Amino acid sequence: DTGVSQDPRHKITKRGQNVTFRCDPISEHNRLYWYRQTLGQGPEFLTYFQNEAQLEKSRLLSDRFSAERPKGSFSTLEIQRTEQGDSAMYLCASSLLGVGTGLFFGQGTRLTVV
Amino acid sequence: AQRVTQPEKLLSVFKGAPVELKCNYSYSGSPELFWYVQYSRQRLQLLLRHISRESIKGFTADLNKGETSFHLKKPFAQEEDSAMYYCALSPYNNNDMRFGAGTRLTVKP
Repeated sequence: DTGVSQDPRHKITKRGQNVTFRCDPISEHNRLYWYRQTLGQGPEFLTYFQNEAQLEKSRLLSDRFSAERPKGSFSTLEIQRTEQGDSAMYLCASSLLGVGTGLFFGQGTRLTVV
Repeated sequence: AQRVTQPEKLLSVFKGAPVELKCNYSYSGSPELFWYVQYSRQRLQLLLRHISRESIKGFTADLNKGETSFHLKKPFAQEEDSAMYYCALSPYNNNDMRFGAGTRLTVKP
C-alpha cells in the first residue's frame, strides 16, 4: 500500500499519560496535515507542514499537543497529559503543493482516553 | 474564517433515484471546493474537485458563487454509493482545509 499510513490504528491510554502517533505520507508529497475527528463531526484541522516546516497551527492545538516532521518525511503527533476530551480519531493527510489537488488521508488513529 | 455547512446529516433514497447532497459555504474570496467520501471501514478519500469540473462515479458538483453552494449530484443512485460524504473548502493550495459535518447517504434497494 503506497498510501498514507498511520500507526497505531488504535490506542487506549489512561488519563494523564502521554501518547505519540506516527504518520508516513505518500513519498512524493511535500505537505502533511493533522486533523482530529469526533463523532458526528467532520475532520477539524490541527496543523500542517510543508517539508519540515510547520506552517500553521489551529487554536485547537493546545500546548499539550506537539507535532514534528524532522526530516520532511514522516511526522509524529504527541499529546501530553491526555484528557478524556482528547478521545477522537486523529487523521493524517498528505498532498502535493498545488492548487486544487486535494488531500490524501490515512486510516487514522483512534485514541480512547479512560 | 471560512465555514462549510451540510444541512442534512442523513439522506436516504431508493436505487435509481436522483440524489443531491447539499453544501453551502461562507468565504469572501474564491475558494477551492472539494467533495470527499468515506465508504464503510475505508479511509476518507477525495471524490471531486471543483477546479477540474470532472464527473467521478457519475457524481458532479457545480460551484455556484452567487448562492455560495457546491451541491453534489447524481442522476441515478446506486447501492454502492451508500457512504459518508464531506464537503470541504480551502482558501488556496490546500491550506486550512475546512470540512462540513458530513451527510450519510443510504441508497436502498
